[in-house]
Amino acid sequence: NAGVTQTPKFRILKIGQSMTLQCTQDMNHNYMYWYRQDPGMGLKLIYYSVGAGITDKGEVPNGYNVSRSTTEDFPLRLELAAPSQTSVYFCASSPTSGGGEGTDTQYFGPGTRLTVL
Amino acid sequence: SQKIEQNSEALNIQEGKTATLTCNYTNYSPAYLQWYRQDPGRGPVFLLLIRENEKEKRKERLKVTFDTTLKQSLFHITASQPADSATYLCALDQGGGFKTIFGAGTRLFVKA
Repeated sequence: NAGVTQTPKFRILKIGQSMTLQCTQDMNHNYMYWYRQDPGMGLKLIYYSVGAGITDKGEVPNGYNVSRSTTEDFPLRLELAAPSQTSVYFCASSPTSGGGEGTDTQYFGPGTRLTVL
Repeated sequence: SQKIEQNSEALNIQEGKTATLTCNYTNYSPAYLQWYRQDPGRGPVFLLLIRENEKEKRKERLKVTFDTTLKQSLFHITASQPADSATYLCALDQGGGFKTIFGAGTRLFVKA
């Protein structure tokens, strides 16, 4: 299993540009998440999905959109990039939620480092 | 709202010693608490989970304690090695995996 894969690894955007961060998992997990991690800060949840066709906002959703058309893929869309979106973005997945070890454990991708200038 | 506090200062220890990292939370006790390891340029990797009714959990050289009275978890690495150098994140459940909140982490350096 490749686990959770993310593309691209690095990207520089200009203010106002758009882009999609790709995330794919091959573990057949129902739950998927997008986080951003800023220096010295904890991971902040942007959006999550509990299954194909179902998504919901996390703590910091403004400026982002997601979709979940398949179990495997959970892309994150930035429509009008702003300098405040400069961060490292992590995608994660977990088998389910609320059941304890092995179920709520999250598996993370390698991250995408995004800079908006 | 629930907040997690981890020591922002890096912890420097000598190889072979025990490293102890602290995670404090501010409000209600979570159903369980997790510890993750994060290496530079990589995503976090799950290490251990401890439930609110468990006082202690062990896995090889790792030990986690959970004190709901003190609202604190301690993470120990015994016989530490330079390969243990990383950032360690504490994560709390708030009622479902999608409501997990993460601390900022504590950076550990183990010197040979």
